[in-house]
Amino acid sequence: GAVVSQHPSWVICKSGTSVKIECRSLDFQATTMFWYRQFPKQSLMLMATSNEGSKATYEQGVEKDKFLINHASLTLSTLTVTSAHPEDSSFYICSARPRGFYNEQFFGPGTRLTVL
Amino acid sequence: SQQGEEDPQALSIQEGENATMNCSYKTSINNLQWYRQNSGRGLVHLILIRSNEREKHSGRLRVTLDTSKKSSSLLITASRAADTASYFCATDPSDSGYSTLTFGKGTMLLVSP
Repeated sequence: GAVVSQHPSWVICKSGTSVKIECRSLDFQATTMFWYRQFPKQSLMLMATSNEGSKATYEQGVEKDKFLINHASLTLSTLTVTSAHPEDSSFYICSARPRGFYNEQFFGPGTRLTVL
Repeated sequence: SQQGEEDPQALSIQEGENATMNCSYKTSINNLQWYRQNSGRGLVHLILIRSNEREKHSGRLRVTLDTSKKSSSLLITASRAADTASYFCATDPSDSGYSTLTFGKGTMLLVSP
């Protein structure tokens, strides 16, 4: 149980285009989902926290107009990187916290974004 | 900012040996968690230790927590080549219903056959 999937696993796009990444909790309802980014050989940096049905809370320094997050249902959150640039190339990982769980997060397998 | 700082940054050992990784943090925590990440993959939750616990075991894993020193250690006993991965500690400061994790920089562990 507690499986989180991400789609796509990897994506290559041209500079200036927008890319949408999906995060799904497959066998549980996730009241909260988190989005992280990770640069090579570095740690995960929390980008934003999204609660179902409400606006995402962004961490300091993360542009909310560039990284659009939509938590439309209890099993799906999407991250859209708008007008992507090469510096947005990174590994994006989502996690989901099940309803009633306060401390645990279950992580997706990540999405590698390369912007040419 | 990064709450947890792991050391060493990288560790190379032989199969069968024990591996110890340390994590230090700066602020009060509700719990501390250890995760494993294989190269280019997502994170796998290993173990959670609460602030009122001092030691916890799970299979070949042993985690200690010293809140007075704001530090934790992860010991992997009888290591295997399959343990090769990056290991991260993550601190959770919240004692309310809203918790977020702050990850350390990680330790890259290489276990050679």
